[in-house]
Amino acid sequence: GQSLEQPSEVTAVEGAIVQINCTYQTSGFYGLSWYQQHDGGAPTFLSYNALDGLEETGRFSSFLSRSDSYGYLLLQELQMKDSASYFCAVRGSNYQLIWGAGTKLIIKP
Amino acid sequence: DTAVSQTPKYLVTQMGNDKSIKCEQNLGHDTMYWYKQDSKKFLKIMFSYNNKELIINETVPNRFSPKSPDKAHLNLHINSLELGDSAVYFCASSQLTGGGSYEQYFGPGTRLTVT
Repeated sequence: GQSLEQPSEVTAVEGAIVQINCTYQTSGFYGLSWYQQHDGGAPTFLSYNALDGLEETGRFSSFLSRSDSYGYLLLQELQMKDSASYFCAVRGSNYQLIWGAGTKLIIKP
Repeated sequence: DTAVSQTPKYLVTQMGNDKSIKCEQNLGHDTMYWYKQDSKKFLKIMFSYNNKELIINETVPNRFSPKSPDKAHLNLHINSLELGDSAVYFCASSQLTGGGSYEQYFGPGTRLTVT
């Protein structure tokens, strides 16, 4: 079957760096996406990796290794507003995104 | 100038009733989706339409029926509502042709509570 694995919860301190990992097993692969969802809000797109390597967007970076079926989201200089759930999602061989179960990021002052 | 809008935002109804949720996108995207997110936050794809054609029809009860009158609108009708239908339903849209990130834009969600 198709699946994505990511930790259910990660805790970090304000100002620190945190990495959220995602491993996937899918039939077909077109890219790995990351979405952020605050409590009571809708998922919003953060990043997309189709090729191996690191993509940086401000304080957030995303990495992909297709040979390892692995990626991660790196958040630097954590702020309290980064407290949210983070989802990895893979675009497989059909039109849909296959979603991970989400990682709840808890940030402590 | 909301990109993806849904109505209603909240819906409280009794078991056995029939209800509809409407979704509209003004992004010019060719594909729209319905997701169900339960209390454990898992996002489950239900349906997807590409240019008004059903392309994803996951295993959901027949009580759920999508309808896409045009590529900017995707509605969800639910018959004979059950307690287990209580969840947040998200509409989303994306552009599947032309390459790129296939980023999905989500509506604000409809929180459905069945009593």
